[in-house]
Amino acid sequence: GQNIDQPTEMTATEGAIVQINCTYQTSGFNGLFWYQQHAGEAPTFLSYNVLDGLEEKGRFSSFLSRSKGYSYLLLKELQMKDSASYLCAVIGGTYNTDKLIFGTGTRLQVFP
Amino acid sequence: DTGVSQDPRHKITKRGQNVTFRCDPISEHNRLYWYRQTLGQGPEFLTYFQNEAQLEKSRLLSDRFSAERPKGSFSTLEIQRTEQGDSAMYLCASSSIAGRTDTQYFGPGTRLTVL
Repeated sequence: GQNIDQPTEMTATEGAIVQINCTYQTSGFNGLFWYQQHAGEAPTFLSYNVLDGLEEKGRFSSFLSRSKGYSYLLLKELQMKDSASYLCAVIGGTYNTDKLIFGTGTRLQVFP
Repeated sequence: DTGVSQDPRHKITKRGQNVTFRCDPISEHNRLYWYRQTLGQGPEFLTYFQNEAQLEKSRLLSDRFSAERPKGSFSTLEIQRTEQGDSAMYLCASSSIAGRTDTQYFGPGTRLTVL
């Protein structure tokens, strides 16, 4: 089956660093995405990893270990506007198609 | 460069009625996806088009659901005989097979409430 796990909720303080973990067990794997979703809005693309290692993009970094089925999203210098849900999604599944398989999302609250 | 657009943004209907949603993808994108998202959950895949061909349908998509992409541009998702369990956010995403990644870009969604 397909299983993607991430913590339900996290809290952090403005200016701090937070790491959101994601573990996955899927039949196929063509890459892992992180999306940000503010309440009532559509998901917006943050990062994509297909090879092992760290991808850095400004304040956000994403790491992937395919052998461990593990990824994390690192958010630095947190701002209030970073309060949102963060969705981990794997591309490819049983039929190795391009559909995204999402976790339930991690709701991050940033406090002043 | 306009993003993915969806219409309507909100729809309230009575149980048993039919509803239709429209999605206009990013103009050069040939792949189009529909997802459904309920509160507190991640989006769930419904169906996928490459150009006008519907290449995959989820088992979540009952016979009451049908999607089309007649000219390989915009797509419609119709739900017949709506049920309260159909209440959700319906998200459309598009992507292009060109380039290094197949990043899917999402529209604003259509929030359906079935009374």
